[in-house]
Amino acid sequence: EAGVTQFPSHSVIEKGQTVTLRCDPISGHDNLYWYRRVMGKEIKFLLHFVKESKQDESGMPNNRFLAERTGGTYSTLKVQPAELEDSGVYFCASSEDPRQGGYGYTFGSGTRLTVV
Amino acid sequence: GESVGLHLPTLSVQEGDNSIINCAYSNSASDYFIWYKQESGKGPQFIIDIRSNMDKRQGQRVTVLLNKTVKHLSLQIAATQPGDSAVYFCAETYNTDKLIFGTGTRLQVFP
Repeated sequence: EAGVTQFPSHSVIEKGQTVTLRCDPISGHDNLYWYRRVMGKEIKFLLHFVKESKQDESGMPNNRFLAERTGGTYSTLKVQPAELEDSGVYFCASSEDPRQGGYGYTFGSGTRLTVV
Repeated sequence: GESVGLHLPTLSVQEGDNSIINCAYSNSASDYFIWYKQESGKGPQFIIDIRSNMDKRQGQRVTVLLNKTVKHLSLQIAATQPGDSAVYFCAETYNTDKLIFGTGTRLQVFP
């Protein structure tokens, strides 16, 4: 079974530019989560999709961030315009059954975003 | 809680010794706790979990201890191996599947 796939694995962009991160969850997983670890700090929740609906977007930092999950399959996270403080590692996770251990999360390897 | 910045707390142990990684959680109402291992270039990987109605849970070579009185969680790794070298995160939740992570501890295992 393929895991959670994220790309790009690394992205370096200039301040003010736009970047789109993509996450392909495990096939059949309705739950998709975005987290990020900024500047070596703790990993923080951004948002949670159930299929194509946003279940919880309380962690989205501001309106420069836009997440979508059209058709309930893959998800994109767009940052526009990017700022220096957006640098960090963005993780995606998917889950089929949150009643499993660890809520059944499988994390992707992350996208390392560097804004210069 | 806020992080301690770019420099993670580091625990250095010799191969074969036992490791104890500690975590202070923030919400006294949290009812489910998880330990994750993150190796370089990979995402967090589930190790073991514990619910608030328990104070100890054992897995293969790992044990999690929960002290709700002082809001403290620990992960014990027996007979630490080089493959255990990674950053370890605790996470807490309350009535939701949204994880609240701790800052992380880097475990370095020396031969």
